[in-house]
Amino acid sequence: AQKITQTQPGMFVQEKEAVTLDCTYDTSDQSYGLFWYKQPSSGEMIFLIYQGSYDEQNATEGRYSLNFQKARKSANLVISASQLGDSAMYFCAMSPNYGGSQGNLIFGKGTKLSVKP
Amino acid sequence: DAGVTQSPTHLIKTRGQQVTLRCSPKSGHDTVSWYQQALGQGPQFIFQYYEEEERQRGNFPDRFSGHQFPNYSSELNVNALLLGDSALYLCASSLAGLDHEQYFGPGTRLTVT
Repeated sequence: AQKITQTQPGMFVQEKEAVTLDCTYDTSDQSYGLFWYKQPSSGEMIFLIYQGSYDEQNATEGRYSLNFQKARKSANLVISASQLGDSAMYFCAMSPNYGGSQGNLIFGKGTKLSVKP
Repeated sequence: DAGVTQSPTHLIKTRGQQVTLRCSPKSGHDTVSWYQQALGQGPQFIFQYYEEEERQRGNFPDRFSGHQFPNYSSELNVNALLLGDSALYLCASSLAGLDHEQYFGPGTRLTVT
């Protein structure tokens, strides 16, 4: 069965510094998608970045990049130049099909990121 | 361009009652997925609707049912509420074939007493 593991319940980072949030996944599928979402205290899940299992280059979206290491089954999120507004819960998720079809995202338990001024 | 909307924002129900939650997808989207997020946990997939039919279902009992209307909006119904049903219910919409672009609504906070 597919599973997402986020081993860091909470992380602190100084404003303007970079931070890495860890995510490992378990699947026997060859085709899958990996996602990161941000959830502020308001509750809404905000899509940050996506990586397909066959994508050879690491995905980047502005200050977000996904460090995809397929052999290690890891998909760490790197946030550069942290801002106070980055303080939130961050969830790693997987979809069992490439391109995210089917829609049944499997989420980890999340990491709470706190940015210090 | 309106995003995903959900109603109501908050809801308090008594054990044994029934509840209906509503979701309007982002403009142009035709697929709606529902998730349950218990406190301190990641969201769990309940089911997905496409073309007014349930396309896939997670590990939830039959007390959880849904519907999708011709305008793509959707309802989540929960019967015989249990205390453990207290959670944030999230709706996500996407365009079929582009499910990696899922947009979530703000959620409905359900409290069962």
